[in-house]
Amino acid sequence: QQQVKQSPQSLIVQKGGISIINCAYENTAFDYFPWYQQFPGKGPALLIAIRPDVSEKKEGRFTISFNKSAKQFSLHIMDSQPGDSATYFCAASGGNQFYFGTGTSLTVIP
Amino acid sequence: EAQVTQNPRYLITVTGKKLTVTCSQNMNHEYMSWYRQDPGLGLRQIYYSMNVEVTDKGDVPEGYKVSRKEKRNFPLILESPSPNQTSLYFCASSLWTSGGAYEQYFGPGTRLTVT
Repeated sequence: QQQVKQSPQSLIVQKGGISIINCAYENTAFDYFPWYQQFPGKGPALLIAIRPDVSEKKEGRFTISFNKSAKQFSLHIMDSQPGDSATYFCAASGGNQFYFGTGTSLTVIP
Repeated sequence: EAQVTQNPRYLITVTGKKLTVTCSQNMNHEYMSWYRQDPGLGLRQIYYSMNVEVTDKGDVPEGYKVSRKEKRNFPLILESPSPNQTSLYFCASSLWTSGGAYEQYFGPGTRLTVT
């Protein structure tokens, strides 16, 4: 079964808006939660990551919010730009093995 | 330039014909891994390796083999490919400690079609 559940499958946001992608997990042994960005024809690239000992991490316009009790984490993209249009994957790891969400296709309309 | 390279980038083959997809990294990373990406399923881990001669199964290892004879190389072997292995494959590498692997660097992908 899917170890990490991601939603929505696709997202359309106006330029300047906030994009929010959500993920949920069940395995409490997971201790590393990265987000990857993938452009067409390219491999995924690490965007930002969080450990469960903090509830939020911000890097530029990208923020991860982490809710350990709910076993959920989300990516917020502030002031979304057309260049942010890509597929985003959340993931979780408890050591050597990684589990990815099914991906969210983000389109930012100018 | 730090990178993960994969070859070939595109491959069309027939059922049952053995093939190898190569992966090489120049970052002296201990951890390497193979994933397949399928529409609606995201990325699924096939095999991973924590160091030379140390490999383990990921989530979807059936039909695949790997070897890690050198730190920089981690080839993926399909001994008898079947159409359900048609997919986009990614190799990744990362530093590794006893706590696990973290920031993974992905290769450009290999699109495999098995007819």
